[in-house]
Amino acid sequence: TAGITQAPTSQILAAGRSMTLRCTQDMRHNAMYWYRQDLGLGLRLIHYSNTAGTTGKGEVPDGYSVSRANTDDFPLTLASAVPSQTSVYFCASSDSTGTGELFFGEGSRLTVL
Amino acid sequence: GESVGLHLPTLSVQEGDNSIINCAYSNSASDYFIWYKQESGKGPQFIIDIRSNMDKRQGQRVTVLLNKTVKHLSLQIAATQPGDSAVYFCAESTTNDYKLSFGAGTTVTVRA
Repeated sequence: TAGITQAPTSQILAAGRSMTLRCTQDMRHNAMYWYRQDLGLGLRLIHYSNTAGTTGKGEVPDGYSVSRANTDDFPLTLASAVPSQTSVYFCASSDSTGTGELFFGEGSRLTVL
Repeated sequence: GESVGLHLPTLSVQEGDNSIINCAYSNSASDYFIWYKQESGKGPQFIIDIRSNMDKRQGQRVTVLLNKTVKHLSLQIAATQPGDSAVYFCAESTTNDYKLSFGAGTTVTVRA
């Protein structure tokens, strides 16, 4: 069972360039999330989607955008990357609106130079 | 702002001993709590969860305790094994805001 698939696994990106991190789930979960993980700060929510066609802002949304055209896919886009966006990004999904378990992908490590 | 946090960033445990990882939260409206384990290079994995109408819940070798009076959550791991070495995160959410907020994490190292 694949669960959550993220791509790419890692990427080095020049500042000012755009980048889309892909996330696909095969569990038919209605809710999906993007977190970033930085040393000492834990996981911080960037954007979320409670159901296909809707999105919302999390704790640290600036510089990021998301879309949820269908149930399975939830891409995260950096329109113009900056070095402070260097982080490990995790996509997650849940079969409820968040009061239940989140299933995480393996992460995408992004370095912005 | 309100946050979820852990008392200690690191914990060293002798193999076979019990481990206790603590977590303090400040949002009194939180009614759902969850513990995750993250091994190096991997995504967080669910360990156990508890709702605010309970004060204890047990799983396989793990127990979560919730003290709402002092806003404290703990994870107990029985007979700690080398495979338990990881970073452990607590997280919380509320019924009216269904997004999990995570603490900074505690790194557990198991000594052979």
